[in-house]
Amino acid sequence: GAGVSQSPSNKVTEKGKDVELRCDPISGHTALYWYRQSLGQGLEFLIYFQGNSAPDKSGLPSDRFSAERTGGSVSTLTIQRTQQEDSAVYLCASSVQSFGNEQFFGPGTRLTVL
Amino acid sequence: AQSVTQLDSHVSVSEGTPVLLRCNYSSSYSPSLFWYVQHPNKGLQLLLKYTSAATLVKGINGFEAEFKKSETSFHLTKPSAHMSDAAEYFCVVRGLFGNEKLTFGTGTRLTIIP
Repeated sequence: GAGVSQSPSNKVTEKGKDVELRCDPISGHTALYWYRQSLGQGLEFLIYFQGNSAPDKSGLPSDRFSAERTGGSVSTLTIQRTQQEDSAVYLCASSVQSFGNEQFFGPGTRLTVL
Repeated sequence: AQSVTQLDSHVSVSEGTPVLLRCNYSSSYSPSLFWYVQHPNKGLQLLLKYTSAATLVKGINGFEAEFKKSETSFHLTKPSAHMSDAAEYFCVVRGLFGNEKLTFGTGTRLTIIP
């Protein structure tokens, strides 16, 4: 079956522009996660959605970052006024609701801020 | 808070020889631990997971890991390395129920010498 998909695969933008990154989780998965992989910081958690509960935003690095999940499925990560330090690979993962289930990762979106 | 420390940033082994990738964890409760692998330009893939059942965990592609509470370790091993094992490996700890974000180690790059 289809895995987690992310779009675009690559995004180049200019400093100060806003960007939107999209994640389509595996059908039926109620939990969705965003992570960031960068040279300086490694792999770090950003935000976590579980069903209809309020998202865990504890990993968002600044108020320029926000995410939403519409209809319990597709999620969009928005970065406003991008900075060069936002350059990274943004990874999305999803899992079945029950605790203990594997998180399946998408291929990521490589963001480059010039 | 939980964390993992990968003791080697880079490991090189000859094809056909054993692989050992070291990971130590820190957690105030019984942790759920994972090893993920990331091949170049590919997504993260789960190798194996420990969730308080058997302390010796077998994963895909001949890898296994042993949970040792007395040593707070979760080292990844494979008896005989294959060229296709060349990749980045991440030791990961998961949060408790209701806060299931993953915390990643800094990664170990495995190089296989022909």
